[in-house]
Amino acid sequence: GQNIDQPTEMTATEGAIVQINCTYQTSGFNGLFWYQQHAGEAPTFLSYNVLDGLEEKGRFSSFLSRSKGYSYLLLKELQMKDSASYLCAVREGSTLGRLYFGRGTQLTVWP
Amino acid sequence: SQTIHQWPATLVQPVGSPLSLECTVEGTSNPNLYWYRQAAGRGLQLLFYSVGIGQISSEVPQNLSASRPQDRQFILSSKKLLLSDSGFYLCAWSERGHTQYFGPGTRLTVL
Repeated sequence: GQNIDQPTEMTATEGAIVQINCTYQTSGFNGLFWYQQHAGEAPTFLSYNVLDGLEEKGRFSSFLSRSKGYSYLLLKELQMKDSASYLCAVREGSTLGRLYFGRGTQLTVWP
Repeated sequence: SQTIHQWPATLVQPVGSPLSLECTVEGTSNPNLYWYRQAAGRGLQLLFYSVGIGQISSEVPQNLSASRPQDRQFILSSKKLLLSDSGFYLCAWSERGHTQYFGPGTRLTVL
């Protein structure tokens, strides 16, 4: 199985930068995903890391260190619409590729 | 492009009544299909997954069942709903070993 830990809540102001951390313990690893979920809606895919390092996609970046079992999602130039829950998910190493999700970090962006 | 549909969007059912939720995917063949439940304040829990027609694997013991009568159709059922079955039900699809994408979800309230 997998044990995935991320903070429950975070707050930040518009225009700021916020880093959401995720740590995991896994018996098999085949990638780490970040999803964004607005209240009452389905999760939407943000980013994927399978090798160590930083992946940048516009205002969002995601970092992975496999040796430390650690990832973070970095959000720059925060906007009010970034207020949402951010889910960290680890994919196991089988062909099925099932995902194990953390409980999510609720980010609130203030004006 | 691929799209995923779920219905109904919202459902209110009495305890002991049956349940049938449907999920269909368009624009892909032989996808992996998944049913998740998200209870209030909790993370995503994988209920069932399927790698092909008629192939269903269950993750947790419960009074729910799943079926895949066609390649791109996934159905979640129950003969008798419990109060604890309330939650947000999400269907997801992926190609082999790739990112999972979620449908819009069904919000189920059992009274």
